Amino acid sequence: GESVGLHLPTLSVQEGDNSIINCAYSNSASDYFIWYKQESGKGPQFIIDIRSNMDKRQGQRVTVLLNKTVKHLSLQIAATQPGDSAVYFCAEISGTGRRALTFGSGTRLQVQP
Amino acid sequence: GAVVSQHPSWVICKSGTSVKIECRSLDFQATTMFWYRQFPKQSLMLMATSNEGSKATYEQGVEKDKFLINHASLTLSTLTVTSAHPEDSSFYICSATGELAHNGQYFGPGTRLTVT
Repeated sequence: GESVGLHLPTLSVQEGDNSIINCAYSNSASDYFIWYKQESGKGPQFIIDIRSNMDKRQGQRVTVLLNKTVKHLSLQIAATQPGDSAVYFCAEISGTGRRALTFGSGTRLQVQP
Repeated sequence: GAVVSQHPSWVICKSGTSVKIECRSLDFQATTMFWYRQFPKQSLMLMATSNEGSKATYEQGVEKDKFLINHASLTLSTLTVTSAHPEDSSFYICSATGELAHNGQYFGPGTRLTVT
């Protein structure tokens, strides 16, 4: 059933500012990481991915940074827009075989107009 | 490309009844489909992995006799919640992967199940 008292951390930014969303992952053997955006009542939407042999990857308005030493992942969104308001999850994949995703706890991004 | 659909998008059922949720890959062949459950304000939790033509692999703590998964074709997987109870009320999301360019999964839009 529903767990009581769990709240997503929230990042509130002004429209036009840059946003940085952080994620700590747990498995040092993870070799592939993905950031997803989830709007209310919808499934996760792929934003950007990065392999463990890289430390930075850029997309359109988004950049993912990977620090394997401290097992930290970040998503940077440039010129944040109201449409960026959503919950953002990092996810990791490790090992071979079925390649299931392990999701982080998520961060809610609120963009103030 | 790589569109995944789910049906229904929401369902309300009475306690004790069974509900079937469908997950379809519309424009690619999904050799593997995953089923997740998401409670309000929480992250997605993997329930099971479904490979076409074989039995699903369930995560620890997920009752396989309660959550029946069938992956009979490369484009369709179904999740049946048997003898549903109010605590099964949740957002159920499927994802699919196959011969795609990367290891990522494409997610369906989710199904909101409410058990009264």
